[in-house]
Amino acid sequence: NAGVMQNPRHLVRRRGQEARLRCSPMKGHSHVYWYRQLPEEGLKFMVYLQKENIIDESGMPKERFSAEFPKEGPSILRIQQVVRGDSAAYFCASSPFGVLSNQPQHFGDGTRLSIL
Amino acid sequence: AQSVTQLDSQVPVFEEAPVELRCNYSSSVSVYLFWYVQYPNQGLQLLLKYLSGSTLVKGINGFEAEFNKSQTSFHLRKPSVHISDTAEYFCAVSYLQGAQKLVFGQGTRLTINP
Repeated sequence: NAGVMQNPRHLVRRRGQEARLRCSPMKGHSHVYWYRQLPEEGLKFMVYLQKENIIDESGMPKERFSAEFPKEGPSILRIQQVVRGDSAAYFCASSPFGVLSNQPQHFGDGTRLSIL
Repeated sequence: AQSVTQLDSQVPVFEEAPVELRCNYSSSVSVYLFWYVQYPNQGLQLLLKYLSGSTLVKGINGFEAEFNKSQTSFHLRKPSVHISDTAEYFCAVSYLQGAQKLVFGQGTRLTINP
């Protein structure tokens, strides 16, 4: 029973390029959350999605960042025109129901994004 | 504003000694509380959770935590630590009113010395 799968594990981009981070939730989980962890800091919520719907994007920067969770396939976090400040670890979590249920979120191993 | 404070950024202890990692949260509404552990270059693994009921909850790897509503605290404890417990520990809260997300503390780095 595979856990939350994120790929790539490490991603290097030059300033101005695009970064695409993928997340496949655990089997049976239809709720996906993205968090960002800056060096020496805790995780900060970015966006919460269900299949084909963005439920809460209050933590997403207003520009350059977008997320989707299509009917088929993984959830994608997309960062356009990356800048050095985007360097961080990006974690995806999934759960079978929303946070207001008593089901905890299960986390992937993260994608470590480095901007040159 | 919703916030979680982990009072110690680093905690060094000797092997087999007891340890307590402190966590306080701001809240005027009901909450669910969690402790996660992060080993180097890995994701977060759930240690334990408090949803309701008994205020003392037991988790994996011999850890336990106590929910104190009056002090809005959820401190993590282990009576005897092992070298393998060296990791970063995060306290997290989900608020039962408002946005559906986890709010994390800044993390506590637990270092076990032989």
